[in-house]
Amino acid sequence: AQTVTQSQPEMSVQEAETVTLSCTYDTSESDYYLFWYKQPPSRQMILVIRQEAYKQQNATENRFSVNFQKAAKSFSLKISDSQLGDAAMYFCAYSQRSGNQFYFGTGTSLTVIP
Amino acid sequence: EPEVTQTPSHQVTQMGQEVILRCVPISNHLYFYWYRQILGQKVEFLVSFYNNEISEKSEIFDDQFSVERPDGSNFTLKIRSTKLEDSAMYFCASSPTGEVWEQYFGPGTRLTVT
Repeated sequence: AQTVTQSQPEMSVQEAETVTLSCTYDTSESDYYLFWYKQPPSRQMILVIRQEAYKQQNATENRFSVNFQKAAKSFSLKISDSQLGDAAMYFCAYSQRSGNQFYFGTGTSLTVIP
Repeated sequence: EPEVTQTPSHQVTQMGQEVILRCVPISNHLYFYWYRQILGQKVEFLVSFYNNEISEKSEIFDDQFSVERPDGSNFTLKIRSTKLEDSAMYFCASSPTGEVWEQYFGPGTRLTVT
């Protein structure tokens, strides 16, 4: 069964600093997707970044980058130059390549300190 | 930018009552989903819906649950006889293609069963 674990319920970071959110997952599949979603308070969950398991290169989207370690089944999110607008709940998620549903972690609540 | 909307944002109901959660997907989307998150736990997939029928459902989605697209714009989740353990945040999502990374989420409806 696929499981996604986020071991940090809460994290905080000073504005302009860098923070890394951790995520591990378990699967017997070799081809799958991993995602980080951001949910600001009372707002929609939006896709931050996506990684395809067959790609060795780590995905990057502006200030957001991932460290994908396939053998270790680890998928961490690094936020550089943190901004106040980055404060949100961050969910790590997994999907089989052929699937249409997500398996989510429990989320990490990120606070950005001015 | 088009968004998935959900109403109400918070619903309180008594145990045993029927409740309908409403979602308005993005207008040209064809695939629809419901997820739920019990407080402190993972976001869990409930059901996917395409071409006016359920395409996939999880073990959680038992006979107490049903979905409907009554008028071509709304997508509803009905819980026939609510239980205390149905208290959760319920998220609707829609997708134009059925690709998992193209799911757009609504802000959620918090259901409290008393």
